[in-house]
Amino acid sequence: AQKITQTQPGMFVQEKEAVTLDCTYDTSDQSYGLFWYKQPSSGEMIFLIYQGSYDEQNATEGRYSLNFQKARKSANLVISASQLGDSAMYFCAMREYYNTDKLIFGTGTRLQVFP
Amino acid sequence: DAGVIQSPRHEVTEMGQEVTLRCKPISGHDYLFWYRQTMMRGLELLIYFNNNVPIDDSGMPEDRFSAKMPNASFSTLKIQPSEPRDSAVYFCASSLARRANTGELFFGEGSRLTVL
Repeated sequence: AQKITQTQPGMFVQEKEAVTLDCTYDTSDQSYGLFWYKQPSSGEMIFLIYQGSYDEQNATEGRYSLNFQKARKSANLVISASQLGDSAMYFCAMREYYNTDKLIFGTGTRLQVFP
Repeated sequence: DAGVIQSPRHEVTEMGQEVTLRCKPISGHDYLFWYRQTMMRGLELLIYFNNNVPIDDSGMPEDRFSAKMPNASFSTLKIQPSEPRDSAVYFCASSLARRANTGELFFGEGSRLTVL
């Protein structure tokens, strides 16, 4: 069954430091996508980064990178040089492309960046 | 281009009343998803459509919930009768088919429902 697990309810990081948010997944599908979304206190869902199951290189988007370890079924988000504006909820998500094509979310990690 | 548009943004109603939430997906998108977000249960997928056809409604909590997509540019989520435990933020999201891109979902701003 399709499943996403985020084991860190909350994380703290000092401004300008890097932080890693953990995500593990489970699927029987061979083709799938992994996504990270940010939800600030204002409530909107902001797409950050995508990794396809067949992509050999880790995805990067500016200060965001996705540490994809397929054998371990993990897709951790790394935020480099944290900024105060990075304080938000972060959701890992997975979309299966053969079995169901639906996208499900993990429970989220609340990141707090302090000066 | 306009993003996903949801209405109303906020709804306060009394238990037993009918609630209708509306969504206009991004033009040209093949998929439409309805999610519910609560503190206790996080982001739950309720139902999703492909080319206006419901594909999986296994997340719809009860028969009080129903969703329709009469055409490619409009979808509704209806709760009748509403109960206090239905209070949540309801998100609509749309995406292109996987063959066209990554399958990223674009979200509306959400409809915050409060049932008294």
